[in-house]
Parts: sequence; C-alpha cells; structure tokens
Amino acid sequence: AQSVTQLGSHVSVSEGALVLLRCNYSSSVPPYLFWYVQYPNQGLQLLLKYTTGATLVKGINGFEAEFKKSETSFHLTKPSAHMSDAAEYFCAVRSNTGNQFYFGTGTSLTVIP
Amino acid sequence: EAGVTQFPSHSVIEKGQTVTLRCDPISGHDNLYWYRRVMGKEIKFLLHFVKESKQDESGMPNNRFLAERTGGTYSTLKVQPAELEDSGVYFCASSQNRGSHEQYFGPGTRLTVT
Repeated sequence: AQSVTQLGSHVSVSEGALVLLRCNYSSSVPPYLFWYVQYPNQGLQLLLKYTTGATLVKGINGFEAEFKKSETSFHLTKPSAHMSDAAEYFCAVRSNTGNQFYFGTGTSLTVIP
Repeated sequence: EAGVTQFPSHSVIEKGQTVTLRCDPISGHDNLYWYRRVMGKEIKFLLHFVKESKQDESGMPNNRFLAERTGGTYSTLKVQPAELEDSGVYFCASSQNRGSHEQYFGPGTRLTVT
C-alpha cells in the first residue's frame, strides 16, 4: 500500500524567504513521486516529478525537491518565496500499476509581503 | 492544445437530488481518471477508464455513484441520490498512456449537497 503524509496544512513565509514543504511517503516498491500545485480556481499543475535517476529534481518556477530513500521523504523547496507562489501544494506517489495517484492532504502556502 | 475541462465548475443541490458531472479529457488521451477531495482531506482516487472500459473502480464509494465514458471520449459521473457526505471537489485527470508519469488534471467541480 502507498500513502503520503504532508506535515503542516498551512505554511506562511515572508516574501524572499525559504520555502520548505514537507512530504513523507510510504511505498513497498520504489516510488514515483510528484508535487502538484493548485492556484485559486485552477486545476492541479505538475511542479516536478521523480521517477528514476538523479535524486534532486528541479521543477518549474524555481522549485526543487530531493528524493531521500533513507528518510522516505520528498520535501519541496524554493530558495526565495514570491507572492505568486501562494497556492495549495500536493505531494503524491504513484501506484505500482500506474492506475492511480495517492495524494497527501495538501499544504496551503501563504506568502507575506 | 486544450487541457482537461470539467463542467459545471460549481453545483449546489439538495440531499436526495441527482447531479451529473462531466469531464472532457485532453484529445487523444485514452486514460481518464476521477478523483475526489472532501474538505480538508486528501485527494482520493475514484476510478480509471481506458477508452470506454472501466479499468479500476476500486475507489468508488458506493453504488450511488455511476461513471460512464461512452465512445471513449468524455466521461460523466452521476451521483444519485446525493447525500451530504458527497460534498467535495471532484477532479478529472487524463493521460496518454497507462504508464505515463503524468496525469493532467482539470480544475475540478465543487459539489455542495445541502
């Protein structure tokens, strides 16, 4: 079985500060891991993904995440927050068969000017 | 290229009524998925179509939910009769191949049952 835990349903950072959104997963096989972002009134948009290879993955809008197998983590970071980063972020792991994604409960990011 | 579209964007119905949600996947995507997010909880898988066939419907909550994809293009998800606990946001996603690493999501339909 697979599952995802996102610590912190709400995170606030100041503009220009580091963004760190935490994600831990549970998977019985090597996982495929994803971060999606949902801006207000929009659909889920893929930020980045880890499938195989390099464990540090770079995504859009300056975000990156590192797959750490020993810690079963896939935390999302951005060095400097921008007002436009305010959104809800979802971490997900893909199932063995590829049929479905397992999502965390989401983290709402607020950027304070 | 148009993305995944969903209709309506919002729906408010009374308990016991029927509601039908529609999803139009990206053209050429054989795989179509339905997910639901109940307020404050995770986004949960409901079912998966490959063309017009249901590949996996293990996430469907009960028999009040009926999904169809006639002709393998758009899909509908009907809730009949709706209950209060059915409220939430219903997302549709599509992908080209079953093994595709990415699913493309629509904006969701917010369903409120009063």
